[in-house]
Amino acid sequence: DAGVTQSPTHLIKTRGQQVTLRCSPISGHKSVSWYQQVLGQGPQFIFQYYEKEERGRGNFPDRFSARQFPNYSSELNVNALLLGDSALYLCASSLPSGVYTGELFFGEGSRLTVL
Amino acid sequence: LAKTTQPISMDSYEGQEVNITCSHNNIATNDYITWYQQFPSQGPRFIIQGYKTKVTNEVASLFIPADRKSSTLSLPRVSLSDTAVYYCLVGDNDMRFGAGTRLTVKP
Repeated sequence: DAGVTQSPTHLIKTRGQQVTLRCSPISGHKSVSWYQQVLGQGPQFIFQYYEKEERGRGNFPDRFSARQFPNYSSELNVNALLLGDSALYLCASSLPSGVYTGELFFGEGSRLTVL
Repeated sequence: LAKTTQPISMDSYEGQEVNITCSHNNIATNDYITWYQQFPSQGPRFIIQGYKTKVTNEVASLFIPADRKSSTLSLPRVSLSDTAVYYCLVGDNDMRFGAGTRLTVKP
């Protein structure tokens, strides 16, 4: 079975640009979460989506937005990129809310470099 | 959200047992305790999860005292490939990572 897939794996942008990152969850998983991981730090929670609705939001500016599609895939958008947005962006999927296992399944991430 | 506290780093040698303790004084009744392992440039990987007492799987054990204010991840007979960052998470569907414990296994 396919795991969580993310695209693109690497990308380079310049300050002020916009970026869209994509995530496909494991089949059957309806919840998707996004994390930002800066080098040397733990993953920081950005968003959680379940059934196309936002279920949680971390302490990130409004430049960060996300959405979840009917097939449960998700996109993370970041506008007006700053140098500090350079990081590994991780997507994780999990079983539906109410069937809690605590287990997040992570993709390999999208490494964003902002110049 | 319950905050977790772990040692920043630990060193060990191959073949030894490693115990990493996590403090979570404000754990809520519905919260589970989950541990993840992360290698450089990879997403974290689930190791083990528990609610109370002891849980064991093929790679680790998790010990949780009755008050649930702490937990200990036990890795038996570590090898060089266990060098990684280990994260303790406490929550109920809202999983937030702390800084983790960087474990270095030496030959």
